[in-house]
Amino acid sequence: QKEVEQNSGPLSVPEGAIASLNCTYSDRVSQSFFWYRQYSGKSPELIMSIYSNGDKEDGRFTAQLNKASQYVSLLIRDSQPSDSATYLCAVNEGTGRRALTFGSGTRLQVQP
Amino acid sequence: ETGVTQTPRHLVMGMTNKKSLKCEQHLGHNAMYWYKQSAKKPLELMFVYSLEERVENNSVPSRFSPECPNSSHLFLHLHTLQPEDSALYLCASSQSGGGEAFFGQGTRLTVV
Repeated sequence: QKEVEQNSGPLSVPEGAIASLNCTYSDRVSQSFFWYRQYSGKSPELIMSIYSNGDKEDGRFTAQLNKASQYVSLLIRDSQPSDSATYLCAVNEGTGRRALTFGSGTRLQVQP
Repeated sequence: ETGVTQTPRHLVMGMTNKKSLKCEQHLGHNAMYWYKQSAKKPLELMFVYSLEERVENNSVPSRFSPECPNSSHLFLHLHTLQPEDSALYLCASSQSGGGEAFFGQGTRLTVV
């Protein structure tokens, strides 16, 4: 059973639209949640961290966390073709494990 | 130099060769990681070092041998690899176990 689940996509949105990326996790004691962006052939780049329930906004990005539902999402407003990438959800399970658990990623395509 | 740097960026090696991948972090972190990312597959955690001590080894074959001489440097020694070991090898570091992880640019390894 996967610990961090993401829809692999591709998720296709038109330029200027809102892209909504979703992630669920299985471990209720998870404490920290992260979104990474990975362009093809490149390494993952941290774009958002969220630690408490609710919304956290940073520019065009909003992360949303609902621990009761074990759900974390990333909204990208005014999507641009340059946002086309794979978005990885990562979770600190809080079990003492020292590494983040990554989902398999959602590929986003922003159509010009 | 800032962040996490990996060398070499690209490596082609024969199955009988011995080579090493190097990672250096300039962030003052105390945990370092090796990940493998094969084509169209999710990140696979290979090794975790915390305070220079190996704390996790995810059933990685012995032809991969990690070394962490200090908190800033991490090596992955490779010998008698197989073609299926061709992948992007990523190093990452974080300040505490399970915190925000920052990745190096990766080493694209091809085994011929």
